[in-house]
Amino acid sequence: AQSVTQLGSHVSVSEGALVLLRCNYSSSVPPYLFWYVQYPNQGLQLLLKYTSAATLVKGINGFEAEFKKSETSFHLTKPSAHMSDAAEYFCAAHYNNNDMRFGAGTRLTVKP
Amino acid sequence: NAGVTQTPKFQVLKTGQSMTLQCAQDMNHNSMYWYRQDPGMGLRLIYYSASEGTTDKGEVPNGYNVSRLNKREFSLRLESAAPSQTSVYFCASSERRGARNSPLHFGNGTRLTVT
Repeated sequence: AQSVTQLGSHVSVSEGALVLLRCNYSSSVPPYLFWYVQYPNQGLQLLLKYTSAATLVKGINGFEAEFKKSETSFHLTKPSAHMSDAAEYFCAAHYNNNDMRFGAGTRLTVKP
Repeated sequence: NAGVTQTPKFQVLKTGQSMTLQCAQDMNHNSMYWYRQDPGMGLRLIYYSASEGTTDKGEVPNGYNVSRLNKREFSLRLESAAPSQTSVYFCASSERRGARNSPLHFGNGTRLTVT
């Protein structure tokens, strides 16, 4: 079955440190890939999306993600974490059968 | 723009009670979805409506029914609530289900507790 795997349900970084959230998808045919962010008591908001135009995708709030077909990965990074980045992050993949699959989510904590 | 609006925000039900979760979008989107979010499991699709007048089962449809009332509104009904349906429910919409690069737009969720 097609799936999305996020490594690490919780990630903690210090303010100013690099943020790296990992996402791997299962498919020999790359799906369309998305990262969403969820702040407490809110719905999910689109952070960025990969649609095959470029392997490095820039999103909002300084986040970016790199698509690597050889590794079936779409990891999310940000060079310098801010306190306001604390949230839960979801990777999602839209496969050929029109099914959007979500990873289990990674909760990011930013320490002062 | 309001985007996707869900009501109610919170609900507590007793086992066996019924209720309907309401969702409306004002973005003229064709496709609408209902997801449930449970800790450690991400979001799982309950039902979707690719266009007005059509509905289809998702990954976890048992115990739920849906109605696509018109292009704007998509409701989710629990006929006989069970504790396993305690969850946070999200409604979402997208321009067109077949467009794989079309992101989902989410409401703020309904937190449902079944005792």
